[in-house]
Amino acid sequence: DTAVSQTPKYLVTQMGNDKSIKCEQNLGHDTMYWYKQDSKKFLKIMFSYNNKELIINETVPNRFSPKSPDKAHLNLHINSLELGDSAVYFCASSPLWFSGNEQYFGPGTRLTVT
Amino acid sequence: TQLLEQSPQFLSIQEGENLTVYCNSSSVFSSLQWYRQEPGEGPVLLVTVVTGGEVKKLKRLTFQFGDARKDSSLHITAAQPGDTGLYLCAGERITGNQFYFGTGTSLTVIP
Repeated sequence: DTAVSQTPKYLVTQMGNDKSIKCEQNLGHDTMYWYKQDSKKFLKIMFSYNNKELIINETVPNRFSPKSPDKAHLNLHINSLELGDSAVYFCASSPLWFSGNEQYFGPGTRLTVT
Repeated sequence: TQLLEQSPQFLSIQEGENLTVYCNSSSVFSSLQWYRQEPGEGPVLLVTVVTGGEVKKLKRLTFQFGDARKDSSLHITAAQPGDTGLYLCAGERITGNQFYFGTGTSLTVIP
């Protein structure tokens, strides 16, 4: 049974479109994250979220927004997609805020903006 | 310049050789983690080090956290093709509430 799942695995879309990536975790964790991995394999945190607090990396454009319908889900909405948004996006979860906790990552969603 | 710099960026070695990967920063971290990522998958945690000077061993992998908690190293003994992957250090800086990944080291072990 997959611990952290993401859909879709691949997403190809045109500039200007709005898209969403879904993430679900069945680990019972309180905290979830979204990461962006660029073409050089550099992973950068975008958001960290639990049921009480959202921490946003200040470098993330406001076209990106996380939405959490419940503790097990954290979806990523992207408005007005740009070419530079092309990357692999990873969802992750952990029992608590970072503090040395293991993060469990999903398989990633490869987003290609044309 | 990223907060956590790894070296080398790429490493290609023969099976059976030893290697060390370094993760350096000018900042102090409350803990550091090492992850391995294989193509098409998300990173998987290998180890967490918390105490300055701490050494942890995981089979043929040895991890060390620097005394000042600003750096870490990963040493692999007798590398095997199954060790091939992208190795990432990561940690939470002691000040603030942000988590950072290192720049990554891509390791290829040739049979």
